[in-house]
Amino acid sequence: ETGVTQTPRHLVMGMTNKKSLKCEQHLGHNAMYWYKQSAKKPLELMFVYNFKEQTENNSVPSRFSPECPNSSHLFLHLHTLQPEDSALYLCASSQGREAGELFFGEGSRLTVL
Amino acid sequence: GQNIDQPTEMTATEGAIVQINCTYQTSGFNGLFWYQQHAGEAPTFLSYNVLDGLEEKGRFSSFLSRSKGYSYLLLKELQMKDSASYLCAVTDSNYQLIWGAGTKLIIKP
Repeated sequence: ETGVTQTPRHLVMGMTNKKSLKCEQHLGHNAMYWYKQSAKKPLELMFVYNFKEQTENNSVPSRFSPECPNSSHLFLHLHTLQPEDSALYLCASSQGREAGELFFGEGSRLTVL
Repeated sequence: GQNIDQPTEMTATEGAIVQINCTYQTSGFNGLFWYQQHAGEAPTFLSYNVLDGLEEKGRFSSFLSRSKGYSYLLLKELQMKDSASYLCAVTDSNYQLIWGAGTKLIIKP
């Protein structure tokens, strides 16, 4: 496989469920990102990991919990979400935190009932 | 605050030329990116400008004026497959990417 792979592509969950989104990059990059994409809104940066260390957490509610076990894998653990959390969650990677070009996965479409 | 403005939606005809504008107000500037995103797919990199002027890449060109806080993406010889959203993003002084909301481009035969 090449590029950035996200699973699952689609997820429907209730507000009391616990689920996780997975991202894997095969590009040898050192920085990985979680973004939230809602219709007609700019991409919202949620978390950044650089060399497995979390460098940014943009005031994201604690019901979203990231995990980066190594520089190739990134998870987003979801717990007691709200309907307004329904969105497309995009994972991206870059060579380094200051290397601008991002490589995105195709996203996980989340629906919270 | 930091802000990126681009039109919400544009319509153009197959074979024609379209220009998508982007204006920005950011804390510092370390480059401007354009990404293309087809419906249901990942955004993909189109172009990067850090110096003033025009960068040409096939049918696509991107222009930057740092003094005006302005960029445009020019698409020539439009094809139906160019129907997509085009995202403008600026890297600020902290190398944080500031994103516009995207321009949905509709191509009609």
